[in-house]
Amino acid sequence: DGGITQSPKYLFRKEGQNVTLSCEQNLNHDAMYWYRQDPGQGLRLIYYSQIVNDFQKGDIAEGYSVSREKKESFPLTVTSAQKNPTAFYLCASSLTGTPNYGYTFGSGTRLTVV
Amino acid sequence: AQKVTQAQTEISVVEKEDVTLDCVYETRDTTYYLFWYKQPPSGELVFLIRRNSFDEQNEISGRYSWNFQKSTSSFNFTITASQVVDSAVYFCALSETGETSGSRLTFGEGTQLTVNP
Repeated sequence: DGGITQSPKYLFRKEGQNVTLSCEQNLNHDAMYWYRQDPGQGLRLIYYSQIVNDFQKGDIAEGYSVSREKKESFPLTVTSAQKNPTAFYLCASSLTGTPNYGYTFGSGTRLTVV
Repeated sequence: AQKVTQAQTEISVVEKEDVTLDCVYETRDTTYYLFWYKQPPSGELVFLIRRNSFDEQNEISGRYSWNFQKSTSSFNFTITASQVVDSAVYFCALSETGETSGSRLTFGEGTQLTVNP
């Protein structure tokens, strides 16, 4: 079955460490997205990519980095520059163009800084 | 700029009550798409419905129904005879168009629905 896989489900990081969250999709979608969700909050866009080897900053890109070397993969690195990294991270993918079929989401990674 | 407003932050009902979640949007596009997603406690967002701007017919799917009114820029979601399993955060979203934004969605802040037994 096609879908999006995020790993790990839970991640603990010490302050000052970089950590990479994995996101893989087998839906043949061109676009991929990373969102951050804080408790009781909505979704905030970190980065998105509409094509391999290209990506754009979202609303809260500072302290994060991404790569898109393969269509199927869009890993997110949370760097030590991110001051408040503890959050729930959601990856999504979609087709591009019209009609817009919306996103397919992964099950998320809960990152905790200890 | 596109914007989605879900004014109800939290709603609490008793099982079997009907409940309506409000969604108001702003866009300059003439062609756009609206969505509702459900986020249960497990965290993954689940797609519920998509509606394009040219189709104002209301839709019913089991206990779920959606009322799209272009005149008021609203796309409200009603759950009839609510159940405990309906407890979740519900997000309304609007598609963006244009060369740089691609298929980006703009999400509302979400409404936390709690259905009590």
